[in-house]
Amino acid sequence: RKEVEQDPGPFNVPEGATVAFNCTYSNSASQSFFWYRQDCRKEPKLLMSVYSSGNEDGRFTAQLNRASQYISLLIRDSKLSDSATYLCAVNPPGTYKYIFGTGTRLKVLA
Amino acid sequence: SAVISQKPSRDICQRGTSLTIQCQVDSQVTMMFWYRQQPGQSLTLIATANQGSEATYESGFVIDKFPISRPNLTFSTLTVSNMSPEDSSIYLCSVANRELNGYTFGSGTRLTVV
Repeated sequence: RKEVEQDPGPFNVPEGATVAFNCTYSNSASQSFFWYRQDCRKEPKLLMSVYSSGNEDGRFTAQLNRASQYISLLIRDSKLSDSATYLCAVNPPGTYKYIFGTGTRLKVLA
Repeated sequence: SAVISQKPSRDICQRGTSLTIQCQVDSQVTMMFWYRQQPGQSLTLIATANQGSEATYESGFVIDKFPISRPNLTFSTLTVSNMSPEDSSIYLCSVANRELNGYTFGSGTRLTVV
């Protein structure tokens, strides 16, 4: 089993739709979780941290399910500009490094 | 967030040669991380660069192939040595972002080996 797994997609959704991605992780002791956004031919940029209690930033909601070992990202009212690849990152215990998933491609269609 | 200047942004190199990638950070940071992102793949950590000590390499990466320098707390270089076409990739440096508790990445170096 990979340390971090994501559905590569693509997820093709119409503007205004709600879409959710999941990211599973194998190490149950992992402590820190993040979602990154990567546009084509650009570097990844931190979108949001994922807190145990869940957190929301505008149209974006991130949640952590420790029992099932996954994090999720929900995007409401999708915009064309949300089209990108969304990477999850997990911090294994006892290290400073992050393990990244392969990313989920989102295409928001007009 | 820290601002990272990475260069070159891209290069096309002949096999057997070496390329050195530079990253300059606008603030002092303890650790800098070097990642590789091959086409269609996610980010793979190559090594962690600490100032004043040897870099720590991940499984599958060795110092002879990817020597790293970290002369001070704001600068690091990664050299891709004796390149082959399999080294064609995007190389990114990153630093921990204390404000958001994540990473900030440099803009990346797109390397093509011919």
